[in-house]
Amino acid sequence: AQSVTQPDIHITVSEGASLELRCNYSYGATPYLFWYVQSPGQGLQLLLKYFSGDTLVQGIKGFEAEFKRSQSSFNLRKPSVHWSDAAEYFCAVGLSGYSTLTFGKGTMLLVSP
Amino acid sequence: DAGVTQSPTHLIKTRGQQVTLRCSPKSGHDTVSWYQQALGQGPQFIFQYYEEEERQRGNFPDRFSGHQFPNYSSELNVNALLLGDSALYLCASSSFGQGEAFFGQGTRLTVV
Repeated sequence: AQSVTQPDIHITVSEGASLELRCNYSYGATPYLFWYVQSPGQGLQLLLKYFSGDTLVQGIKGFEAEFKRSQSSFNLRKPSVHWSDAAEYFCAVGLSGYSTLTFGKGTMLLVSP
Repeated sequence: DAGVTQSPTHLIKTRGQQVTLRCSPKSGHDTVSWYQQALGQGPQFIFQYYEEEERQRGNFPDRFSGHQFPNYSSELNVNALLLGDSALYLCASSSFGQGEAFFGQGTRLTVV
């Protein structure tokens, strides 16, 4: 069975600083990989996805993620964090061709002034 | 495009009662999946409906059941509610065979 590990429960970043959120997955084949963001009391918004091809994917709001097969990782990055980026971020893996997702436990991003 | 809509937004039920949550998928989508998100956790897959049939199911008891209607909308039913069923229930829609899912705002269920 697939699994997703987000090792950081909370991360605090100063506004304007760079951000990297870690995600490791366990899966027998090349999975579909996703990053979602959730603001308090809200549903999930898709930031970006990787299905195949270029291992560096661009998403919305200036986010990008890099798929590294050798490390089973799909880390999320942003060069300059804004206060409005404070939210919880979830990494997820899906089976090819289906939309059932396995999520990590999430990383809460706090942005300090 | 209204996106994925869920109702109600909040609900309070008593232990042992039954509850029905509703979801309308994004226009053009034919597949609905339901997830349970407990406080401080990531969403967990409950089941997926396509062509009015349950196609996949996660590790949830039979107290959790669902239905999909011909217009692709869906219901999640939970019987004999337990305190541990308190959670945010998320509905996601997609086109069958494609991996990208769009989520609704969720229904916050509190069992007292």
